[in-house]
Amino acid sequence: ETGVTQSPTHLIKTRGQQVTLRCSSQSGHNTVSWYQQALGQGPQFIFQYYREEENGRGNFPPRFSGLQFPNYSSELNVNALELDDSALYLCASSLDGGSSYNEQFFGPGTRLTVL
Amino acid sequence: AQSVTQLDSQVPVFEEAPVELRCNYSSSVSVYLFWYVQYPNQGLQLLLKYLSGSTLVESINGFEAEFNKSQTSFHLRKPSVHISDTAEYFCAVTTPGYSSASKIIFGSGTRLSIRP
Repeated sequence: ETGVTQSPTHLIKTRGQQVTLRCSSQSGHNTVSWYQQALGQGPQFIFQYYREEENGRGNFPPRFSGLQFPNYSSELNVNALELDDSALYLCASSLDGGSSYNEQFFGPGTRLTVL
Repeated sequence: AQSVTQLDSQVPVFEEAPVELRCNYSSSVSVYLFWYVQYPNQGLQLLLKYLSGSTLVESINGFEAEFNKSQTSFHLRKPSVHISDTAEYFCAVTTPGYSSASKIIFGSGTRLSIRP
């Protein structure tokens, strides 16, 4: 059984650019959640995708958007990058979206640096 | 709204000494509580969780945490730490049941550093 994988592991962009981060969910999981972890902070919930639909969103602006594909892998897109977007981006996969009983399994993260 | 407070940003301790990492939460509804561990340059791993039942929960590597509803706390303890326990520890909370999104609210983390 393959765990949650993310690509790329590291990324450097400049202010104003756009970035796409990718996540492959664990086998059998239909839900992907994305979190932003700034340096020295705990992860903050960005949004969740369940069966290809956005299933809830945290306090992030619309320039943070996502997709989920039929194989349940997911992308996080960030437009008009700002310096404060520099962070570790984590995705987590689980079963059945809104059920908090089901454990979320985290990937290793993508480290984004915005210069 | 729910929130989690981890009172100590860093906890240095000698190897084989006991340790307690403190966590308090705020919520107007019932909660599920978690401790996650993050080793250097890695993602998060679930260490232990409280969903219901016994208020004392244990991990496979010797950590335990006790849910105290009256004090809204979920402190993490280990009677004897090892160098390999060096990591960042995050306390987290979520709402039981089914909602629009099972988002997890994390604390700001406690860095546990073990001295030989």
